[in-house]
Amino acid sequence: AQSVSQHNHHVILSEAASLELGCNYSYGGTVNLFWYVQYPGQHLQLLLKYFSGDPLVKGIKGFEAEFIKSKFSFNLRKPSVQWSDTAEYFCAVGPYNNNDMRFGAGTRLTVKP
Amino acid sequence: SQTIHQWPATLVQPVGSPLSLECTVEGTSNPNLYWYRQAAGRGLQLLFYSVGIGQISSEVPQNLSASRPQDRQFILSSKKLLLSDSGFYLCACRQPFGMRGITEAFFGQGTRLTVV
Repeated sequence: AQSVSQHNHHVILSEAASLELGCNYSYGGTVNLFWYVQYPGQHLQLLLKYFSGDPLVKGIKGFEAEFIKSKFSFNLRKPSVQWSDTAEYFCAVGPYNNNDMRFGAGTRLTVKP
Repeated sequence: SQTIHQWPATLVQPVGSPLSLECTVEGTSNPNLYWYRQAAGRGLQLLFYSVGIGQISSEVPQNLSASRPQDRQFILSSKKLLLSDSGFYLCACRQPFGMRGITEAFFGQGTRLTVV
């Protein structure tokens, strides 16, 4: 089965700093890739998703992610974070034509005002 | 879009007691349904998924079981809870591959289970 690695467990940034959260997966075939966010006390919400086409995907709230197939990576980025971005972020992989869907361990982002 | 209902939101159960967590889905038919457990620092662990009534795939051997008695109902159960079963349980729904293209998962609000 595929696996997902998120290397940063806890990231602390000041407002206006740039963000990049790493995500790598292990699966040899075609995949669908996702980033979810969980704000404190709220349920998981989809930030963005990649299916095919342009490897640079734009999501909600100014987030974007780049799929680099050769590196099996799907890193999440935001040029300038805000205090309201404080949350936990999860990368997920769903193999194409497959019912499975796996999540990484999550990265907790704390943005200092 | 899909709406996932999970209940209860919180639950405190003694060790050795049975468990039944229910998840129901609205706004879709014949969905794939999933149970995940979320533990601090360990992300979301896939426990079970189901592609149809009575069809359950188990990802990890454990003290839990799942059932899908109806198309939009998914139940997580245990006959005897262990302390290690404490955690945050999430139900998720996903359209079967191919029906709507890219198929992200939609999540319920979760159930916080504390076994004492």
